[in-house]
Amino acid sequence: AQSVTQPDIHITVSEGASLELRCNYSYGATPYLFWYVQSPGQGLQLLLKYFSGDTLVQGIKGFEAEFKRSQSSFNLRKPSVHWSDAAEYFCAVATVGYYGGATNKLIFGTGTLLAVQP
Amino acid sequence: KAGVTQTPRYLIKTRGQQVTLSCSPISGHRSVSWYQQTPGQGLQFLFEYFSETQRNKGNFPGRFSGRQFSNSRSEMNVSTLELGDSALYLCASSLGTGGWDEQFFGPGTRLTVL
Repeated sequence: AQSVTQPDIHITVSEGASLELRCNYSYGATPYLFWYVQSPGQGLQLLLKYFSGDTLVQGIKGFEAEFKRSQSSFNLRKPSVHWSDAAEYFCAVATVGYYGGATNKLIFGTGTLLAVQP
Repeated sequence: KAGVTQTPRYLIKTRGQQVTLSCSPISGHRSVSWYQQTPGQGLQFLFEYFSETQRNKGNFPGRFSGRQFSNSRSEMNVSTLELGDSALYLCASSLGTGGWDEQFFGPGTRLTVL
C-alpha cells in the first residue's frame, strides 16, 4: 500500500535561512507526489506536484522539490525563508486509478510544522 | 471567483447525535472530495463525488456518508457520533476531468463531539 512519511514533526528556522522539509514515499512504480501548505484556520494550498519528467519541480511562493527515486524521497526546499512561510506542510501521494493515472484520492503524510524565527 | 465554501464553520454535537456538513465547490467544478483531519490520524480521505456518484472511497465506517447534488454541492453526514469524530472536516473541489485535477480546499468545518 502507498504511504508517505514526514520524519520531522516540527522545524524552526531563522528568517532568511534555507529550508528543507523531508518526505519519503512507499510505492513501487513512479508515484504522483505533492506538497501542500496549511496556514492556521485555512484549508490546504497546493505548492507543487511531480508526475513525471524533470525531477526538480518548481512551485509557488519560491518553493521547489526534488524527486529522487533511489532514495524514495521528495524533499521540499526554499533558499530563503520568510516569516509568512510559517505554516504546516504536508507531503502527499495520489492513489493510482484503474488505468494507471493519478486519482483525486490523496494519501497525506503527518505534516511538518514550520516555525520561523525573526 | 469565489472559493470553496463550507458551512457551518464550527459545530458542537453530543455523542449519539448525527451531523450534516455542507460544501459548495468553486463554480464549474464537478468533483468534490472530503477529508478528515485529526491530530492523531492526520489527514484522511473520506470520499469523492463526481456527477452525483461516489467515485472514490476511503476506509471509514458506514456511519460516514455523503452525497452530491446536481449543482455539484455536496453534503457529508455522520450518524451516531463518537468522541473520536471530533475533527476538522475539509472539502476540496476540482474540475473533475476524469483523473487527477488540482483540488482547491475550503477552510473546513470544525466538529467537536462532547
